Formats: sequence, structure tokens, C-alpha cells
Amino acid sequence: QKEVEQDPGPLSVPEGAIVSLNCTYSNSAFQYFMWYRQYSRKGPELLMYTYSSGNKEDGRFTAQVDKSSKYISLFIRDSQPSDSATYLCAMTGHTGTASKLTFGTGTRLQVTL
Amino acid sequence: NAGVTQTPKFQVLKTGQSMTLQCAQDMNHEYMSWYRQDPGMGLRLIHYSVGAGITDQGEVPNGYNVSRSTTEDFPLRLLSAAPSQTSVYFCASSYSNTGRDYGYTFGSGTRLTVV
Repeated sequence: QKEVEQDPGPLSVPEGAIVSLNCTYSNSAFQYFMWYRQYSRKGPELLMYTYSSGNKEDGRFTAQVDKSSKYISLFIRDSQPSDSATYLCAMTGHTGTASKLTFGTGTRLQVTL
Repeated sequence: NAGVTQTPKFQVLKTGQSMTLQCAQDMNHEYMSWYRQDPGMGLRLIHYSVGAGITDQGEVPNGYNVSRSTTEDFPLRLLSAAPSQTSVYFCASSYSNTGRDYGYTFGSGTRLTVV
């Protein structure tokens, strides 16, 4: 079993829809959680960063972390065609030494007109 | 401010050949790492570095070497290329060891094919 599980999709939604992307994990030591967006043939770019449990909002994006359930989510409101990309969750728990990000496999999102 | 620069963008190698993938960052980040991305596998850590002169192995280090003589550069060497090393390689750097506040900045990748 992988440490981080993520539904690969693809997920197709109409423009304006609310999108929910999720990851589950098994390592209780994880405490730093990130969402990256990756456009085709590009490198991942950081979208959201969350420490421990709770919510974080940035414009149309909201990241949620539930450490008790080992479950993280990314919500995209009013989705746009430009949101079409692969979304990767990543997490780490190491402090004091070099941390090693553990990634989900990514969910491919397609927002249609 | 160029961020993380990777060269080359594309490369085709024959089995057994060696080559070096270059990575440079101009953000004065201490932490740098190399990942490979394969379909259905996500991003997997190959090697990482916490500063000049200090490197360590990640999840899939076999067949790869790294060195870090300066803060800016972190090259990845393929010793004897194998078809299993066909992948997209990403270099990443970070201000802090947890990627806190700024996350990790990734390069645009090197697409490597070994025939």
C-alpha cells in the first residue's frame, strides 16, 4: 500500500463547478501538506501549503487537512478552463533534517466550457 | 530571477551511455532534490542535498550519482543508462527543509529516453 493515495481521475467538470480533490495517507508523522498544480509538460508549481490540521483559503482555492482521518482536500470554486491540469498532493513530516516530500500520483482535472 | 533551471529539456541516450542532467537555482536555497516522474507512480525522490557538500539518497537512488559543490548547482549523473531510466526528471529547491511558507520550486523538467 502506498503511503499517499490519490484518485488519478480523470475528473471532468463544467466551467463554474466546485471541484473537490482528495488524498489519503497512512503515515501519522506527516504534518506539512501541499498541493501542486502541474500543467502538461511543465514542472509542478506550489498552489497551497498547510501545516497540521485546519483550513486555508486563497482566492478560489481552499485546502483542508484532517489529521485524525489522515485525509486532505483541495476545493476549487468557480472552476475555469485554465484550471485544467494535474493536481498533486504532497506531504512531509521531517524537521531538523532534510525533508522528503511524498507525493500522490496526481489527479487529472479537465474543466470544460 | 530565473528560479530553477534544468538542462537539457530533452535527451535520447543509448543503453550504457552516461550523461549529466544539470540543475541550477538562483534563490540561495539550501535544500535541493531530484525527482523522477513516471505514469502511475507519481514523483519519486532520487537524491537530495541539504547544502553544499552534503547529499543523501532518496527512494530510488540506484544508477544515479549526485554532488553539490556549490549552493547553486546540483547535477544528476546517470552512470550507465538503462531503459528503466526513461522518465521525466525534475529538480526542486526549497528555502527550508519542510518547504515551509514557500514550498518547493520545481524546474521545468528533462525528458529522458533510453533506447
